[in-house]
Amino acid sequence: AQKITQTQPGMFVQEKEAVTLDCTYDTSDPSYGLFWYKQPSSGEMIFLIYQGSYDQQNATEGRYSLNFQKARKSANLVISASQLGDSAMYFCAMREAIFTNMGRRALTFGSGTRLQVQP
Amino acid sequence: DTAVSQTPKYLVTQMGNDKSIKCEQNLGHDTMYWYKQDSKKFLKIMFSYNNKELIINETVPNRFSPKSPDKAHLNLHINSLELGDSAVYFCASSPGQGPHTGELFFGEGSRLTVL
Repeated sequence: AQKITQTQPGMFVQEKEAVTLDCTYDTSDPSYGLFWYKQPSSGEMIFLIYQGSYDQQNATEGRYSLNFQKARKSANLVISASQLGDSAMYFCAMREAIFTNMGRRALTFGSGTRLQVQP
Repeated sequence: DTAVSQTPKYLVTQMGNDKSIKCEQNLGHDTMYWYKQDSKKFLKIMFSYNNKELIINETVPNRFSPKSPDKAHLNLHINSLELGDSAVYFCASSPGQGPHTGELFFGEGSRLTVL
């Protein structure tokens, strides 16, 4: 069963506007972490933001914020004031059992969303 | 200083050959991983080592053999290469604890092309 679902294969946004990239997840584990990574055309994987399942507040990192809705099992990434350099693939990922057996779980990734920022 | 480094970055080879990709991390992390990214950009875990011990071994052909001589190194050897092995292979490491529990630190990737 797919654990991470990203339903938007591609998105367009105008420069300086905000954009939301969707991510839903599936787990029965109460302790998990959700991650977003950016992969520009150069290929490297860049960590953007993290949300723990027990975190009370939504995570924010500069222009990135995570809209975490636990009951709906969604962890959407919001990018404010888009820039041309934001054009990239964006991956949502999850790690289960984050407080136990750390080395025994890997991050599971979604299929990604290709974001293109237009001038 | 590169935190997670992989060599080679590009690898072009013929079907049937054997090749290796090396990975080293200088972050002091206990856990290292190999991920495969296919042509559709899907990232899939292949192996995980924790302190030189094999922890995760996903359904991967036994032509793929990881080796971890110490906790800072994780190499990937592939025998009898097939066309379907063409992909980008990412090495990654993660700390046992930290503010972003379980965050992966990725290498730059090794693009393997099998002809």
